[in-house]
Amino acid sequence: ELKVEQNPLFLSMQEGKNYTIYCNYSTTSDRLYWYRQDPGKSLESLFVLLSNGAVKQEGRLMASLDTKARLSTLHITAAVHDLSATYFCAVPRLKTSYDKVIFGPGTSLSVIP
Amino acid sequence: SAVISQKPSRDICQRGTSLTIQCQVDSQVTMMFWYRQQPGQSLTLIATANQGSEATYESGFVIDKFPISRPNLTFSTLTVSNMSPEDSSIYLCSVDLVRNTQYFGPGTRLTVL
Repeated sequence: ELKVEQNPLFLSMQEGKNYTIYCNYSTTSDRLYWYRQDPGKSLESLFVLLSNGAVKQEGRLMASLDTKARLSTLHITAAVHDLSATYFCAVPRLKTSYDKVIFGPGTSLSVIP
Repeated sequence: SAVISQKPSRDICQRGTSLTIQCQVDSQVTMMFWYRQQPGQSLTLIATANQGSEATYESGFVIDKFPISRPNLTFSTLTVSNMSPEDSSIYLCSVDLVRNTQYFGPGTRLTVL
C-alpha cells in the first residue's frame, strides 16, 4: 500500500530564510505533484514532476524528484509572508494510472516577519 | 486549466439529513474525482466518477453513504447521506484535464450539528 510522508508537518520560518520540505513515498513512482492550499481555500497545483531528476522552479520555490530514493524536495528560498500556506505532495497510486493520487499529510508553513 | 464550480460553498446541516453537492466544469472531462478533507487533515479520495458508468469507491466509502451521479461530461453530484457530525469536512471535486495534473474545485465546507 502506498504511503506518502512529509517532513516537517509544521514549519515556522523567518522571512528571508531558506528551508526545505521533504516528501517521501513507499512504492515506485515516476512522477509526483506538489500543491498549495491557503486557509479556507482549495488546492492550487504548483509543480508536476514527471521523471527522475526533474527539477522545476517558480519564483522562490524549487521542487525536485529522485525516484530512486523515492524522495521529493520543495526548497524555499528567501521566504516571504505570501508563502504561508499548507503544501501537499501527492503520488499516483498506480504506475499504469496517473489519475488516482495519494496525498501526503501536508506541511503547514508559516513565514513570520 | 479548468474552471470548476461547486454548490453550495458551505452548509450547516442537521444530523440524519442528506446534502447533495454539485460540481460543474467548463469543459468536458472523462474522469471526475470526489475528495474529503477533514479539519486539519489531508485529502482522501472518496470515489471516481466516470460518465456512463457506476462510480468507483475507495476503501472505507460506500455508495449508500455517498451516492454519486455523473449525468454528462461536465457535471457530477455527491450526496452525503444520513449525516453525522463525523461527516463535517470540506468536500472537493477535481478533474484530470491533461494527464499530468488534477484541478480542484473551490470545495464545499460542510458542518453537521
